Amino acid sequence: DTAVSQTPKYLVTQMGNDKSIKCEQNLGHDTMYWYKQDSKKFLKIMFSYNNKELIINETVPNRFSPKSPDKAHLNLHINSLELGDSAVYFCASSQGNRKLFFGSGTQLSVL
Amino acid sequence: AQKVTQAQTEISVVEKEDVTLDCVYETRDTTYYLFWYKQPPSGELVFLIRRNSFDEQNEISGRYSWNFQKSTSSFNFTITASQVVDSAVYFCALSDLSGGGADGLTFGKGTHLIIQP
Repeated sequence: DTAVSQTPKYLVTQMGNDKSIKCEQNLGHDTMYWYKQDSKKFLKIMFSYNNKELIINETVPNRFSPKSPDKAHLNLHINSLELGDSAVYFCASSQGNRKLFFGSGTQLSVL
Repeated sequence: AQKVTQAQTEISVVEKEDVTLDCVYETRDTTYYLFWYKQPPSGELVFLIRRNSFDEQNEISGRYSWNFQKSTSSFNFTITASQVVDSAVYFCALSDLSGGGADGLTFGKGTHLIIQP
């Protein structure tokens, strides 16, 4: 069983389109996250959701909107995609001990 | 504010050599956690170790060892007798209590380790 699963693994799209990335965790964790990894491999947190409540939003453009229908899911919706949005997006979850369990990543390419 | 510095952007060694990856951190909290993650060429992020700020005992796991020194705010990672499969990007990360426990990890910029056969 995959602990944190995200889909799709690859996403290629045109500028201006709207796309979503889905994430699910079966670990029973209370907190889920979205991280962005840029071309230089730098990992930066975008969002954190704790029990379906947004905890932090690290100056991410409002074109990015996390949506959490329940505490096992945290989807990322992106409007009006731009070239600079091309990156690898990682979903993660944690509980208490702060060890993050990461999904396998979604490589987004905006053409 | 918390910060993690991995000054070594890239390290290249020949197989079987020992290699140490440096990590220096900054935090105002007395309670915090330090981590190392590995990202192989396949792209996934693999957890290696977690250490809390009250446990300065060094840890060894096979060829891997970690040296935590609060006096110098460092949490260095050593691979003994490196192998080609160790080639990856290694991230050091920090989590403190400033965000109430749900602010995730602050990562360093990573060290790209290349093990040449």
